[in-house]
Amino acid sequence: DIVMTQSPLSLPVTPGESASISCRSSQSLLHSNGHNYLDWYLQKAGQSPQLLIYLGSTRASGVPDRFSGSGSGTNFTLKISRVEAEDIGVYYCMQALQAPSFGGGTKIEIK
Amino acid sequence: QVYLMQSGAEVKKPGDSVNVSCKASGFVFTSWYIHWVRQAPGQGLEWMGIINPSGGVTRNAQKFQGRVTMTSDKSTSTVHMELSSLTIEDTAVYYCARGWRVQVWSRDYFYHMDVWGKGTTVQVSS
Repeated sequence: DIVMTQSPLSLPVTPGESASISCRSSQSLLHSNGHNYLDWYLQKAGQSPQLLIYLGSTRASGVPDRFSGSGSGTNFTLKISRVEAEDIGVYYCMQALQAPSFGGGTKIEIK
Repeated sequence: QVYLMQSGAEVKKPGDSVNVSCKASGFVFTSWYIHWVRQAPGQGLEWMGIINPSGGVTRNAQKFQGRVTMTSDKSTSTVHMELSSLTIEDTAVYYCARGWRVQVWSRDYFYHMDVWGKGTTVQVSS
């Protein structure tokens, strides 16, 4: 099974500043077709998760361009370029190369 | 409007089974795959399995093998997830989500969960 590890566990940020979350997988998520099978999701308090990024770096429909995903293989990063108050919540990475599995989550909160 | 409507909260006893339903609206039910993901109180997300509503083919996480059954009813655009032999540790919010299935060189990849239900709370208590 592929194990997903996120860091940090919690990240206090100031609105307007950038924030980065790391996600590491126990096996490479890079397929020979060139795609990394990694999604990012945001779960706001009391809500269902919402899709932000798929295939490592492609923004889902309607997702603001301040969200960007990067990385390949076993190391991935989600960056929020200018954090807004509405971005607070728990962010999860999920690998889809095998049976899907999620990272433990990173909570972004406002300083 | 695209959404997934889930059934209401359940309270069960250890050893019971629970059936959670997820009704699709606003999209072609048989063109998507439906995932089940659960979240224990204060914990992260855990993938349970997936069903192809068109053909009824399912795949489960190994952890739930033998305990979870997923079915689909095309006439009502509804999928059902039954979890049996409940324990206290099955107390969680259960979500359904639609997703993509992409086939690459005869292997399936499931990702892009873009529409989620609001979740069904299942409490298991003696």
